[in-house]
Amino acid sequence: GAVVSQHPSWVICKSGTSVKIECRSLDFQATTMFWYRQFPKQSLMLMATSNEGSKATYEQGVEKDKFLINHASLTLSTLTVTSAHPEDSSFYICSCRGFTEAFFGQGTRLTVV
Amino acid sequence: AQTVTQSQPEMSVQEAETVTLSCTYDTSESDYYLFWYKQPPSRQMILVIRQEAYKQQNATENRFSVNFQKAAKSFSLKISDSQLGDAAMYFCAYRRPTQGGSEKLVFGKGMKLTVNP
Repeated sequence: GAVVSQHPSWVICKSGTSVKIECRSLDFQATTMFWYRQFPKQSLMLMATSNEGSKATYEQGVEKDKFLINHASLTLSTLTVTSAHPEDSSFYICSCRGFTEAFFGQGTRLTVV
Repeated sequence: AQTVTQSQPEMSVQEAETVTLSCTYDTSESDYYLFWYKQPPSRQMILVIRQEAYKQQNATENRFSVNFQKAAKSFSLKISDSQLGDAAMYFCAYRRPTQGGSEKLVFGKGMKLTVNP
């Protein structure tokens, strides 16, 4: 199956700084990627749909200026958490959609101190 | 809007026994995909099984099989001969088919499966 690589696996940052998370599709071109946030013991919450070469589509309630998404190529999408605060601490997962099923990155655990 | 419901937050099963995880969904579409994903402690999402709504035959993947009841909008997962490695969170998910690839997955809340030795 397709491989999706997400980096970093974990990151600790100071409050007020920005953090960039990368999501790469390694063996196929992904015109669409999805970004999720997952709180402990909860389901995946879709944050935004990333479209190559165009603006991302954000879900209701997700701050566009805080969670910047860039999908500059068919194999790379990035999520930047700007001016991070402790409440942004969470597990972030990216996903690429194949013809029928979705493939997920390993996830990134973000801790803001 | 489509919704996916997993009413059992937790279940446990003895090793080598069989367990069934339930899932119901709501949609007005006639064609769609249904999935079961597994999330072990590593938190990597892994596809367990997929079912196309237009197929009447229930999908099977080794020890994993589904009972797809389209009229009842039910999609349960049966795990046979449970193994310790099956312990994980299991998510039921729905998606409409699209050619553009931008259609999102709708997830249920998940169910934690414990396998007892």
